[in-house]
Amino acid sequence: QVQLQESGPGLVKPSETLSLTCTVSGGSISSYYWSWIRQPPGKGLEWIGYIYYSGSTNYNPSLKSRVTISVDTSKNQFSLKVSSVTAADTAVYYCARREELDVWGKGTTVTVSS
Amino acid sequence: DIVMTQSPDSLAVSLGERATINCKSSQSVLYSSNNKNYLAWYQQKPRQPPKLLIYWASTRESGVPDRFSGSGSGTDFTLTISSLQAEDVAVYYCQQYYSTPFTFGQGTRLEIK
Repeated sequence: QVQLQESGPGLVKPSETLSLTCTVSGGSISSYYWSWIRQPPGKGLEWIGYIYYSGSTNYNPSLKSRVTISVDTSKNQFSLKVSSVTAADTAVYYCARREELDVWGKGTTVTVSS
Repeated sequence: DIVMTQSPDSLAVSLGERATINCKSSQSVLYSSNNKNYLAWYQQKPRQPPKLLIYWASTRESGVPDRFSGSGSGTDFTLTISSLQAEDVAVYYCQQYYSTPFTFGQGTRLEIK
């Protein structure tokens, strides 16, 4: 069955860019929408945005000016970049499939700290 | 943005009893052209990602026990656990995928009484 795995640095300095990758295994990325969601410590879920395998994107306006999501179909991966991070961007970051988010990665913790 | 509001924020239910969680959206998530409600329910246990339980408001995801059911339409939805088991202790979230940005309820923490 399809599995997702997030990867990337666990610690990012304030004002720098957070970069994460989600690797899709057990199936092709060339279908569906692929989302990023985050969860600050002890808080609820926030949808960051999604990308369609063709490359079209949709971002949450709350983050839109700082977020870029891209896809590499040859590697079966999609990626997230969040620029100019602050402590408020500290969270567990998840990748997930489809609009109803039927498959999730295990999540990766990103801490923004100097 | 569509605001999703869950009630209650927390709930304690005895084993074997019914648990009911409500979710209200600030606007309808029913798409008239296909008569589908773009509403999903998730279960999140500590240190785990959320798990999809219900989509289209009432369709159970494969492998989800049939004690979990979803109902409602338009702006008002309910997740019901018919007979609470110990493994159901978790935080439950509703989510609308009718329009972007997709939004979640604040979560309902379910505990054993």
